[in-house]
Amino acid sequence: SYELTQPPSVSVSPGQTARITCSGDALPKQYAYWYQQKPGQAPVLVIYKDSERPSGIPERFSGSSSGTTVTLTISGVQAEDEADYYCQSADSSGTFFGGGTKLTVL
Amino acid sequence: EVQLVESGGGLVQPGGSLRLSCAASGFTFSSYWMHWVRQAPGKGLVWVSRINSDGSSTSYADSVKGRFTISRDNAKNTLYLQMNSLRAEDTAVYYCAREYGFLESDSYYFDYWGQGTLVTVSS
Repeated sequence: SYELTQPPSVSVSPGQTARITCSGDALPKQYAYWYQQKPGQAPVLVIYKDSERPSGIPERFSGSSSGTTVTLTISGVQAEDEADYYCQSADSSGTFFGGGTKLTVL
Repeated sequence: EVQLVESGGGLVQPGGSLRLSCAASGFTFSSYWMHWVRQAPGKGLVWVSRINSDGSSTSYADSVKGRFTISRDNAKNTLYLQMNSLRAEDTAVYYCAREYGFLESDSYYFDYWGQGTLVTVSS
């Protein structure tokens, strides 16, 4: 198994850019995925394969990868983006989630 | 429309048992690997268990191995999680989730989730 490490919290003002990182030794070898979870709701996929955006997800959501770190970037943050964000990776040994990052829109 | 609807959660005493169900619709259930993921109150997502499309292969997180059993009935389009010897630390919302994988790698993600069912283990 391996660990994925995220910052517990990130705060930004509306219209600014939020960057949430996820670090793990296995990330150079495995894809990372990002989920958004709002209170009382199930997670929703916002990025897959490090940087691909599912249909229906706003263009302000993007992903990137560099070495052992993947980054979820939300450009022009809106109030509705306030949520918890989780990174996830998986391989034949199992499924792994980061601890989650609470994005606060000030 | 893909739908996953969990049921079976509730209050159970430590040491007790509970069986969760996840009714699937809107897709060919028998073609997909399925998972259970849980989330303790105020905490993050934790993977619990995985089952392949025909039910012949399963895997578990170390924390539930030997106590939980995942299974499926493809004729009924339903996923199950039998939970025995429950502990206070099993208290969580349990989600079923559909796996989306790639032919070219062993990586995968969860493209659909149910709304979850709450399991509370307490005396």
